Amino acid sequence: DAGVTQSPTHLIKTRGQQVTLRCSPKSGHDTVSWYQQALGQGPQFIFQYYEEEERQRGNFPDRFSGHQFPNYSSELNVNALLLGDSALYLCASSWSGQGQISPLHFGNGTRLTVT
Amino acid sequence: RKEVEQDPGPFNVPEGATVAFNCTYSNSASQSFFWYRQDCRKEPKLLMSVYSSGNEDGRFTAQLNRASQYISLLIRDSKLSDSATYLCVVMGTGANNLFFGTGTRLTVIP
Repeated sequence: DAGVTQSPTHLIKTRGQQVTLRCSPKSGHDTVSWYQQALGQGPQFIFQYYEEEERQRGNFPDRFSGHQFPNYSSELNVNALLLGDSALYLCASSWSGQGQISPLHFGNGTRLTVT
Repeated sequence: RKEVEQDPGPFNVPEGATVAFNCTYSNSASQSFFWYRQDCRKEPKLLMSVYSSGNEDGRFTAQLNRASQYISLLIRDSKLSDSATYLCVVMGTGANNLFFGTGTRLTVIP
């Protein structure tokens, strides 16, 4: 039973560039959430996708966008990269069954460095 | 005020010791509570959910105090392998109402 998988594991980009991160949820999960974790901080919620739509969004600018595909996998896109975007980006999957609160299962993360 | 606050530590304890972490939350309408463990440069992993009645899993005990709006994690008989950062997670309704604490760093010393 595959867990949450993310790619790539590491990425180095230059200011102003664009980046796409990918995530495949745990088998049986239909909801994908993305988090940004800066060094020494807890994960910060970026957005959540369910049924191929952005269901919730945290306090992140429009430079951060995403997509969910019919197979529940998801992408996170960041445009016009800033130095401050350097962080560990975590994908978490869960199940959005009616009335159920499913704990998050995290992928290994993508460590993004912007130079 | 932050949604979730934790003492960042670090907590340095000898093997076999008992250690407790507390976490406070600001939204009284919060519904679900969890403790996650995060090893260095790894992803967070669910340690345990926290229920109103309190719950225990081996050496780990979690408690919730809704009146005072805090949750706690107690680790008995600490092992070297318990060294990690422990993240408190509080969830209301909706994904954007899920908040992580900054984590408490624990180091268990031989």
